[in-house]
Amino acid sequence: QVQLAESGGGAVQPGRSLRLSCVTSGFTFGQYAMHWVRQAPGKGLEVVAVISGDGSNQYYADSVKGRFTISRDNSKSTLFVQMNSLRPEDTAVYFCARDAHNLGDPLGFCDSWGQGTLVTVAS
Amino acid sequence: DIQMTQSPSTLSASVGDRVIITCRASQSISDWLAWFQQKPGKAPHLLIYKASSLESGVPSRFSGSGSGTEFTLTISSLQPDDFATYFCQHYYSFPWTFGLGTKVEIK
Repeated sequence: QVQLAESGGGAVQPGRSLRLSCVTSGFTFGQYAMHWVRQAPGKGLEVVAVISGDGSNQYYADSVKGRFTISRDNSKSTLFVQMNSLRPEDTAVYFCARDAHNLGDPLGFCDSWGQGTLVTVAS
Repeated sequence: DIQMTQSPSTLSASVGDRVIITCRASQSISDWLAWFQQKPGKAPHLLIYKASSLESGVPSRFSGSGSGTEFTLTISSLQPDDFATYFCQHYYSFPWTFGLGTKVEIK
């Protein structure tokens, strides 16, 4: 079955960097766009970054543009997000999720999600 | 950005009740809308896509309707496993945004 497992979260000071990973299995990774979606404590959901199946197209929320970089390694079925210049408002659980569309470009909603990894940005 | 507004924010109901949750978009999104269920400490779970299409494996007591700017999620007969928070999300144009959620509580 489809599995997604995030790692790399933790506590970090403002201005520092963190790299999250998401190892996947159970599907042909390169056929699907992938999302990072975050949820601040007690808050709603925000699509942070999205990458097409072949990695050629990336989409970013304005709140992270220029600071976060999404990437993928299709040979290892793994998704990444490099988060630089972290701010307290980036504190959230970060979910890795598979786009529902299996033809490479994102449709925009996700049908499979990891359990999330918590990122805490505080001094 | 398209804003998604859900109502109510909290809903108290009993097992067996019919529950209706509303989601409004700030502009027309055709039927590019999904509904998710989320339980505490867990990831969101897809229920409905394209406004009214039931995701595989989701019980038929869940249904969605609407188009344009007004949408509803209906649970025909609330079950104990349905007490959770429900989110709508549009995917009409990036950025794809979510509503703030509706928490369904035990009455």
